[in-house]
Amino acid sequence: NAGVMQNPRHLVRRRGQEARLRCSPMKGHSHVYWYRQLPEEGLKFMVYLQKENIIDESGMPKERFSAEFPKEGPSILRIQQVVRGDSAAYFCASSQDRNTEAFFGQGTRLTVV
Amino acid sequence: QQQVKQSPQSLIVQKGGISIINCAYENTAFDYFPWYQQFPGKGPALLIAIRPDVSEKKEGRFTISFNKSAKQFSLHIMDSQPGDSATYFCAATLNEKLTFGTGTRLTIIP
Repeated sequence: NAGVMQNPRHLVRRRGQEARLRCSPMKGHSHVYWYRQLPEEGLKFMVYLQKENIIDESGMPKERFSAEFPKEGPSILRIQQVVRGDSAAYFCASSQDRNTEAFFGQGTRLTVV
Repeated sequence: QQQVKQSPQSLIVQKGGISIINCAYENTAFDYFPWYQQFPGKGPALLIAIRPDVSEKKEGRFTISFNKSAKQFSLHIMDSQPGDSATYFCAATLNEKLTFGTGTRLTIIP
C-alpha cells in the first residue's frame, strides 16, 4: 500500500510563473491537507479538502493560491505568479476519516528564482 | 500568534541519555496532541500521540507527559540512540487542523 505520493519532489520556477503541486492520497483516504514549511520553521496549515469540497482554507493566502481535490485524480495546489517568498517545502497529508491519523508525503520543495 | 510553543530549539544528548522536549499551548479547545519526527528531506512521521483526558502515554522508548491544567506536554525519549537524531515537532489538533510547534533539532552523540 503506497503512502502519500507527492510530485514533483523538487520544482524550480522563475518569478511570475505558475507552480502546480500534486498529491495522491493513500488508497482509501478521502481527506487531504496541505501544509507549508519555511526553512527552520514548523509546518503551517494551508487547506483541508475532501473529494470535490474545500472544508477549511483558513491558512491559504487570499491571492494567487488555490487548491482542488477532484472526484478523480490527485489533489492540486496551484500557485500563480510565484514570488521568491513562495519558496518553501509544501507537504500534503491524507487521512481516511475525520479524527483519524493523517499521513504525510515527502513534500515538494519549491524554489523560486 | 504562536499557538503552540516548543523548546528547546536544539538539543544535544549523549547516547543512552534521556531527551526531553517541551511544548505549551494556548487554545484549550485542542483535542489531540501528536508528536512528529522528521528526517532531512522527508515528510513528518507520526511518533506518538495523546488525548487530553490522559496524563501519560508510553510506547517503547517514547513517553508523552500531559499536564492539562498547565497546558503543557512533553516528549521523553529514553535510552536515546544516534538513529533518534532528527527534528521533532509537537502539534495540537482542532477540527482536523494541525498546529505545529517550531521544532527541536535533536542530536544524539556517542
